[in-house]
Amino acid sequence: ETGVTQSPTHLIKTRGQQVTLRCSSQSGHNTVSWYQQALGQGPQFIFQYYREEENGRGNFPPRFSGLQFPNYSSELNVNALELDDSALYLCASRKGIGYTFGSGTRLTVV
Amino acid sequence: QQQVKQSPQSLIVQKGGISIINCAYENTAFDYFPWYQQFPGKGPALLIAIRPDVSEKKEGRFTISFNKSAKQFSLHIMDSQPGDSATYFCAASSTSGTYKYIFGTGTRLKVLA
Repeated sequence: ETGVTQSPTHLIKTRGQQVTLRCSSQSGHNTVSWYQQALGQGPQFIFQYYREEENGRGNFPPRFSGLQFPNYSSELNVNALELDDSALYLCASRKGIGYTFGSGTRLTVV
Repeated sequence: QQQVKQSPQSLIVQKGGISIINCAYENTAFDYFPWYQQFPGKGPALLIAIRPDVSEKKEGRFTISFNKSAKQFSLHIMDSQPGDSATYFCAASSTSGTYKYIFGTGTRLKVLA
């Protein structure tokens, strides 16, 4: 097992730009979820993918979108960035019952 | 109904003491309750988890107590150590459907040496 790896670790973007965050899950983990964690808050569910299909979504607008690939990697795309999108974005994957989280990507929108 | 309420917001404990963090939920469909530990700049790491068919689960110095009728669960850290200083999150999920986690707001624990 190699854990859940996210890249980049830090990112600064300008309001209105688009960003792609990447995640590499553990082998065999066919379910991946993305969470947004604002400073001092608990993680908030963005969406979940199972076998490359989105099968659950939280209260996030459509400008948040994702992809999951057959090699257990995934992406989170955010269009038209807003200042409030500044947060730690966490990828989590699972095969059985418990999620393993990556260390996150710290996104700052200026 | 989707909220998980966590308290206290922050906690200071002497080395060797017991740290207790409490969570409450409303959705009776929740059937999986994990606790995560998060250090600054890191992602949450699973500490211990419980299903509602048991009232207590212990792993090393960490114990979850679960009260199904009150819809409450708590984390007890025995013999707290300075290395335990971190932010702790409870979560709840339903293992049917989306299986998303609903997290509490976190407890920042500081263990004094």
